[in-house]
Amino acid sequence: QVTLKESGPVLVKPTETLTLTCTVSGFSLSNARMGVSWIRQPPGKALEWLAHIFSNDEKSYSTSLKSRLTISKDTSKSQVVLTMTNMDPVDTATYYCARGRTFDYWGQGTLVTVSS
Amino acid sequence: QLVLTQSPSASASLGASVKLTCTLSSGHSSYAIAWHQQQPEKGPRYLMKLNSDGSHSKGDGIPDRFSGSSSGAERYLTISSLQSEDEADYYCQTWGTGVWVFGGGTKLTVL
Repeated sequence: QVTLKESGPVLVKPTETLTLTCTVSGFSLSNARMGVSWIRQPPGKALEWLAHIFSNDEKSYSTSLKSRLTISKDTSKSQVVLTMTNMDPVDTATYYCARGRTFDYWGQGTLVTVSS
Repeated sequence: QLVLTQSPSASASLGASVKLTCTLSSGHSSYAIAWHQQQPEKGPRYLMKLNSDGSHSKGDGIPDRFSGSSSGAERYLTISSLQSEDEADYYCQTWGTGVWVFGGGTKLTVL
């Protein structure tokens, strides 16, 4: 059974760095095609892709957010980590991780609020 | 630039069929896409991968009422025998070299 689960802080202050963890099970992060993406959704708005890490550790980032994002993985722990620097209230959103090119499995999401 | 365009809203009656459209940007008509459903207050759920030739592979447990088709740069999601739980936002999504893109989503209302 494939599952993904996001974890991280519920509340962060403006200018702080957000660190989110996606813990996966039912597949290995070292398998070909089993990359993982981070996606976010501000309240009432559409989905926005943020970053992807491939099984070979290659990384891709949203052009608009590239300077603020870092994605990494720990295959032994089955975890994918996203950091986003210099958080702003407009970054308030539910953050999801999802598997593969087609996002065939999603995590439940974690709501992150940016407020002082 | 890789862009997906969806109509913001659609509606259809209970028991009827509806066809949602996702349009790929110029030069990208050969791209495959994926369709995702997001019911109110829930996370997205993968429905299917849809290729340019109309072939598609559905996710686990997706009913036969959901099907996909393609024509040129258009990708379609057809839902037949509409049920109340089909009222949701539907997103198309695609990928290129190092980039993933979502459409703006279509809000489906079941009347």
